[in-house]
Amino acid sequence: DTAVSQTPKYLVTQMGNDKSIKCEQNLGHDTMYWYKQDSKKFLKIMFSYNNKELIINETVPNRFSPKSPDKAHLNLHINSLELGDSAVYFCASSQGAGAYQPQHFGDGTRLSIL
Amino acid sequence: AQSVTQLGSHVSVSEGALVLLRCNYSSSVPPYLFWYVQYPNQGLQLLLKYTTGATLVKGINGFEAEFKKSETSFHLTKPSAHMSDAAEYFCAVSDRSNSGYALNFGKGTSLLVTP
Repeated sequence: DTAVSQTPKYLVTQMGNDKSIKCEQNLGHDTMYWYKQDSKKFLKIMFSYNNKELIINETVPNRFSPKSPDKAHLNLHINSLELGDSAVYFCASSQGAGAYQPQHFGDGTRLSIL
Repeated sequence: AQSVTQLGSHVSVSEGALVLLRCNYSSSVPPYLFWYVQYPNQGLQLLLKYTTGATLVKGINGFEAEFKKSETSFHLTKPSAHMSDAAEYFCAVSDRSNSGYALNFGKGTSLLVTP
């Protein structure tokens, strides 16, 4: 059973389109995250939810909007896609939002903007 | 803010040789440190973590790391490299952000294992 699953795995689309990435975890965790990995493999936090409440909201264009319908799901919607949005987006989860909690990652969604 | 620096973006070792991947941290409070591994086209897998207690931490796949406060280091080692260890390795520190904690990652070290 996949612990943190993301769909789709690959997403190729054109500039200006709107797209969504979905994430689900079956670990029973209460905290979920979105990270962005750029072309140089640098990872950076974007958002985090704890019990469906937004607790981390980094400096990200407001074209990016996360949504957590329940503790097991965290989706990412992106409006008006730009070339610079091309990256790998990782979802992660942890039990609790504390500093010492290890995070479990999905396999990523590779977004390519044409 | 807490941060980590990984020395060496690429490390090459022979199969059977010692693996040493370097990570130094910067933190104003006692840090929580992690090492993750990323295989091609996959997500990140936790190798090991240091929170409190024993400074020598053992992880999966024969890896271990030692927390050295005096040197602000958390280097990752493995006595004998296998071909299957070839991957990208990330050191990370937990950092306060808004109302939660997120991982601040180093830039990664790509490990190449040669026969």
